[in-house]
Amino acid sequence: DAKTTQPNSMESNEEEPVHLPCNHSTISGTDYIHWYRQLPSQGPEYVIHGLTSNVNNRMASLAIAEDRKSSTLILHRATLRDAAVYYCILRESQGGSEKLVFGKGTKLTVNP
Amino acid sequence: DAGITQSPRHKVTETGTPVTLRCHQTENHRYMYWYRQDPGHGLRLIHYSYGVKDTDKGEVSDGYSVSRSKTEDFLLTLESATSSQTSVYFCAISDLGLGGEKLFFGSGTQLSVL
Repeated sequence: DAKTTQPNSMESNEEEPVHLPCNHSTISGTDYIHWYRQLPSQGPEYVIHGLTSNVNNRMASLAIAEDRKSSTLILHRATLRDAAVYYCILRESQGGSEKLVFGKGTKLTVNP
Repeated sequence: DAGITQSPRHKVTETGTPVTLRCHQTENHRYMYWYRQDPGHGLRLIHYSYGVKDTDKGEVSDGYSVSRSKTEDFLLTLESATSSQTSVYFCAISDLGLGGEKLFFGSGTQLSVL
């Protein structure tokens, strides 16, 4: 199963941009890159996903390297409510083997 | 928010007793998943279902069984609970299990096995 590697923790200041990296060197051509975050005492929630092109939504932006072996989740202006564990995972485009591997994620601390 | 309800939200039980956790969805999604989360391990897949009566194992399935007799319900059973199964359990759903779809998670069940 394709796996991802993320830093264990990162720190940011409020209202500054945050770039959360993810390495997925064994990604296959049909894998989607997904990001989820988990606030304390809650279930994970969807943030963003993409296949090849960069993606933007109201929560964040996803920058995908040209070779797709890495990606970066961008929070344009971090708020205290963005403090969470962020998970980068890969999903096969056709499903089937749904053995998704979440890993330990990156714990983001946002300083006021 | 996706219509996912996990029950119970909290449970304390004794070693050796059977335990069943329930995940109920109102979205009519085909795929349902059970994960456990332990400190230092992130989320690990226990079992998943890709339709009524269709299930498969995840990476940590030993000691767990599942059943899906209706689209909306996915049950996780610990036949004989052990202390190593103390964890937070999350249910998730996905419409067609395709890579371009979002996963939606429930709020979790905190299980303590004494």
